[in-house]
Amino acid sequence: GAGVSQSPSNKVTEKGKDVELRCDPISGHTALYWYRQRLGQGLEFLIYFQGNSAPDKSGLPSDRFSAERTGESVSTLTIQRTQQEDSAVYLCASSLDTGFYQPQHFGDGTRLSIL
Amino acid sequence: DAKTTQPPSMDCAEGRAANLPCNHSTISGNEYVYWYRQIHSQGPQYIIHGLKNNETNEMASLIITEDRKSSTLILPHATLRDTAVYYCIVRAALGTGNQFYFGTGTSLTVIP
Repeated sequence: GAGVSQSPSNKVTEKGKDVELRCDPISGHTALYWYRQRLGQGLEFLIYFQGNSAPDKSGLPSDRFSAERTGESVSTLTIQRTQQEDSAVYLCASSLDTGFYQPQHFGDGTRLSIL
Repeated sequence: DAKTTQPPSMDCAEGRAANLPCNHSTISGNEYVYWYRQIHSQGPQYIIHGLKNNETNEMASLIITEDRKSSTLILPHATLRDTAVYYCIVRAALGTGNQFYFGTGTSLTVIP
């Protein structure tokens, strides 16, 4: 079946521009996560959506970062006034959170390069 | 905050068992141990998870010590396609906190 899909796969933009990254989770998955991975580093949690509950935004590094999710479907991560330190791979994951642990399924990420 | 400690790199001969250790000495009673791996340029792939009992699936086995302060992921017959970065993560079940930390993992190289 279809996995987590992210677009674009690569994005190059100039410093100061806004960017929007998209994540299509696996159908029926109620939980959705965004992570950031800098070159040679581990994954850094950004934000978590679970159904209609308020999202856990505690990992967002600054107010330039925001994310939205429409119901239990598509999510977008927006970075405003991009800086060079925002260059990283942005990964999205979804899972069937039904009250006990379910594994997260990851997309292949969006590689963001800020010039 | 890092809750797990892993060696930065390991080698394993093709066809042999790969044993990847992880220390999680501050693990809480409601926290699970999860393993993921990441092959270059791809998103992380779920491998296995456990709470206190040893677990086995088609990919690997997970051995958790009785005191739960450490665990070992075992790939029984490593192949070249198992070359990847392996992440050990501890995390509470849903509803008790959603943040978790992947760390830098163990880079496993399977040698022909």
